[in-house]
This record gives sequence, C-alpha cells and structure tokens, in this order.
Amino acid sequence: DAGVIQSPRHEVTEMGQEVTLRCKPISGHNSLFWYRQTMMRGLELLIYFNNNVPIDDSGMPEDRFSAKMPNASFSTLKIQPSEPRDSAVYFCASSPRGSGWETQYFGPGTRLLVL
Amino acid sequence: GENVEQHPSTLSVQEGDSAVIKCTYSDSASNYFPWYKQELGKRPQLIIDIRSNVGEKKDQRIAVTLNKTAKHFSLHITETQPEDSAVYFCAARSGGSYIPTFGRGTSLIVHP
Repeated sequence: DAGVIQSPRHEVTEMGQEVTLRCKPISGHNSLFWYRQTMMRGLELLIYFNNNVPIDDSGMPEDRFSAKMPNASFSTLKIQPSEPRDSAVYFCASSPRGSGWETQYFGPGTRLLVL
Repeated sequence: GENVEQHPSTLSVQEGDSAVIKCTYSDSASNYFPWYKQELGKRPQLIIDIRSNVGEKKDQRIAVTLNKTAKHFSLHITETQPEDSAVYFCAARSGGSYIPTFGRGTSLIVHP
C-alpha cells in the first residue's frame, strides 16, 4: 500500500495566483480530511469528506478556499486567489469507516509558500 | 465542541530519562484518544492510542494512561533516546464523530 499520496510536495507561487493541491487517499478508506499546519495555529482541520460528500467545512478559512472530491480516489484543495498568509503545510489524511475507532493516516504534506 | 489542551509546549530531557506529556479534554463523550509523533519536516504518524474502556496501554517504551473522571490522558516515554525527539500531538474524538480535535503539540528534545 502506497499510503496517502499528495502532490505537489512543494509549491511556491505569487500572491493572487491559483493554487491546487491534490490528494489520493488509501484505497478503501471512506473518510478524507484536509488539514493546515502552521507554527502559530498548529494543526487545523479545514474540511472532512465521508464517501466523497463534504460533511464539515466549518474550518475552511474563507471563500478563497474550496475543496472537491469527485470520486473515492481523488480530492483537491484549491486556493484562489492565494495570499501570503496561506503559506503553510497542507496535509491530507484518510481513514477507513467502521466502528468509529479508525486511525487517520496522513500524507506527506504539501509545503506551500505564497510570496 | 471538543477542546483539547496539551502541556507542556516544550520538553527537554536527557537521554535515558522519562518524558511525560499531558492532555485534557472537555467533552465527556469523547472515547478515542490517539497520539501522533511528527518528526521535523515529516507527517504526523500514530504511535499509540487508547479507547475509553481501558485505563492504560503500553507498547515497549511508550504508554498512555486515561483518567475519564478527570478528563485527562497522558503519554509516557521511558528510557528516552535522541530519535524520540519530535513534536507529539494528542487528540480526542467524541463517540459518533469522525473528526478528532488535536492538541497544540509538545516539542520533545532528547539530549544525548
């Protein structure tokens, strides 16, 4: 099993540009999470999907952020337009659905720098 | 919603000493408490977890204890080694919820 796959691993862009982050969850996992990690705010949950449906997006900072999960094996997090304060490491995580004791498996993260 | 407090934010120990990290939670319905280790520049990875129906769990040099009455749980690392140096996150998840709430993390530094 390849684990959770994220791309790109690093992204440097200029303010105002659109950024798209990609995630492939572990095969068979029904739940997918997007997190943002910064020194100031720690690990923040942005959005959570279950069976490809967004369940909780209360952590999405503002309308510039959007996330989709068109199928069970792919999700995107888009920032448009990007701002310097969006610079962070963005993690995608997945977990299987079952009894409720499931562990989250994190991807390697995308390190985003907005200049 | 759930609120998780984690202490200390930084912990420095000598190799061979023990390290203890403590977390408190607010939601008495929380029933699953994982601990993650994140090495510098890498992803968080689960190291141990505990469910609310047990009070303690051990795995070699690490152990986690849970006090449901006081709503706190702790990570214990014995015989620390330099490779234990990392940021450790606790989390709590309410029954029926798939969304864990994370603590702010503890940076553990083990000096050789």
